[in-house]
Parts: sequence; structure tokens; C-alpha cells
Amino acid sequence: GAGVSQSPRYKVAKRGQDVALRCDPISGHVSLFWYQQALGQGPEFLTYFQNEAQLDKSGLPSDRFFAERPEGSVSTLKIQRTQQEDSAVYLCASSLVLAGYNEQFFGPGTRLTVL
Amino acid sequence: DQQVKQNSPSLSVQEGRISILNCDYTNSMFDYFLWYKKYPAEGPTFLISISSIKDKNEDGRFTVFLNKSAKHLSLHIVPSQPGDSAVYFCAVQGGSSGDKLTFGTGTRLAVRP
Repeated sequence: GAGVSQSPRYKVAKRGQDVALRCDPISGHVSLFWYQQALGQGPEFLTYFQNEAQLDKSGLPSDRFFAERPEGSVSTLKIQRTQQEDSAVYLCASSLVLAGYNEQFFGPGTRLTVL
Repeated sequence: DQQVKQNSPSLSVQEGRISILNCDYTNSMFDYFLWYKKYPAEGPTFLISISSIKDKNEDGRFTVFLNKSAKHLSLHIVPSQPGDSAVYFCAVQGGSSGDKLTFGTGTRLAVRP
């Protein structure tokens, strides 16, 4: 498929464990975004990459959250010492960079449950 | 401080009738206003957008209206179909927020056959 893929689709972690969530964007898409969607809420912005450069990480809720995109393609969102409040669906989106509006294409998300 | 609000958590409409979903925003500096549709266990999918310089955009059964003076956005679906049943999120983009999307809390639409 040519869409955004994310893995794993579901992750259960014990409180205090580290987790790593992977995003494979659409080939050729320069921009990559991570969002967090808590139950009953809309997605909330976490961080944004253009190629390998992390241009905005203002939405990361704490220094336990870290994201990288070392080769400008696949991205990993890492959460250290997970807490129960980290339980959410983590969505990745990618887009081209063109003049005007750039549609963001979302992956199916990773549902993280911290026990 | 929620910049985008969807005050109706749910809406139920008869098949064939019009569905109207509403959204209010607080910042006047956004460039684009969007609607995304989400089915369970899937990511949001783009539905329709409107630039801040327009007040209406139409795509088939979907029309988005932008009232800048009221800072209000609405999505009209006519005629509504059972396959339209999903959660709809409005979102804003641009201005000082750059390319990131800021979403509302969503409205769950149920279209009754």
C-alpha cells in the first residue's frame, strides 16, 4: 500500500517501561507530524519534521518524549518511563511541501495502553 | 485554552436529509480550515478544506462554509448517507501555528437508514 503505516498497532506497557513507536510515511513526503489523541479528544500536535530536521517539538508533553527521523524517512517516537497518562492513540501524518495547503495523510495510529 | 471548539459531541440524522456540523475558533490568523473524517481504528482522512480568503467551498455532497466575522466554520452534507456515519473533526492550519493542525474535539455523526 502507498499510505502511511505505523507499528505496532497496539502496545501495552507496564508503567515505567520505555516504548518505541514507528512511522513509515508516504514515499517522497518531506513533512512528518506526530499527534497524540486521548480518549474523547481530537488529535493534539506533538512534533514536526521536515526531512531529518525536527523543526517544532513544542507539543511534546515532557522530556520523556523523544522523536527522531535520522534519514528523513522513517520516524520513531520514543516514550521513556511510561506513565498512565501517556495512554492514547499516537498518530503519524505525512505531507508534501508545496505552495498553499498541504494535505496531511494520517496513518492508522498506535494505541498505547500503560498499565 | 482551546482554539478550536466543536460544541456538539454527537448528531443523528435521517438518511437523505442534511447533516450540519459546526465548529468555532478563537484565532483570526489561520490560513486554512479543514474537515477530517474518522472511522474507528483508522486514522483521520481529509474531507474538504477552505482557504481563509473564501467563504464557501463545495465538493460533491460536501460543502464547507466559513464565517470569518463570527469565527465559525460549518460542514454541510447533503444528502446524508449511512456510510457518512463517523466522527468528524474540524481543524485549522497556518498563521503563527505553521503547518501543524489544531483539531476540535470531534462530532460523532450517525446517519439512520
